[in-house]
Amino acid sequence: KQEVTQIPAALSVPEGENLVLNCSFTDSAIYNLQWFRQDPGKGLTSLLLIQSSQREQTSGRLNASLDKSSGRSTLYIAASQPGDSATYLCAVSEGGGNKLTFGTGTQLKVEL
Amino acid sequence: DTGVSQNPRHKITKRGQNVTFRCDPISEHNRLYWYRQTLGQGPEFLTYFQNEAQLEKSRLLSDRFSAERPKGSFSTLEIQRTEQGDSAMYLCASTANSASTDTQYFGPGTRLTVL
Repeated sequence: KQEVTQIPAALSVPEGENLVLNCSFTDSAIYNLQWFRQDPGKGLTSLLLIQSSQREQTSGRLNASLDKSSGRSTLYIAASQPGDSATYLCAVSEGGGNKLTFGTGTQLKVEL
Repeated sequence: DTGVSQNPRHKITKRGQNVTFRCDPISEHNRLYWYRQTLGQGPEFLTYFQNEAQLEKSRLLSDRFSAERPKGSFSTLEIQRTEQGDSAMYLCASTANSASTDTQYFGPGTRLTVL
């Protein structure tokens, strides 16, 4: 059974700092990996999707990497801003239905 | 608004009552997913549809739960004889086609509270 772990569970940084969020998964037979953002009481916003054949994806200040063989992904956020404060979830896609298995998230707070 | 929509956004019910939630996916998205999220946890997969066909159900989906997508567009999730343990956020997501690489787009969720 696939298990997804995210470290750290919570992170507080000053504005402007670069930071890395970590995600690991136990079964490397995935189709893709997605990073999501979730604001309190809200749904999920997709940030980046990395296909299993890719090594990284970039969008603005965000860069996500994937090492499928070792079961790891990182989300790099450059020049963090208070508006980046949210919970970040990673999820792996597997099975014929492309269903997602999620980690428990990293709660990020960027302080002024 | 062309995103995934869910109704109602909040539902408070008493234990033992039946509730029904609705999800409208992005137009022409033929895959639709239901997930459940409890406080402090990531979402957990419940079931998914390819057009009107329900192709997979999680062990989490007890016989009190039923989902439909009768015309391959919107979907409903019904919970019968609700229990306090059913209190959670119910999330719906859709994707454009059956390709395994497609992004899943999520709705705002329906928060269920069972008293």
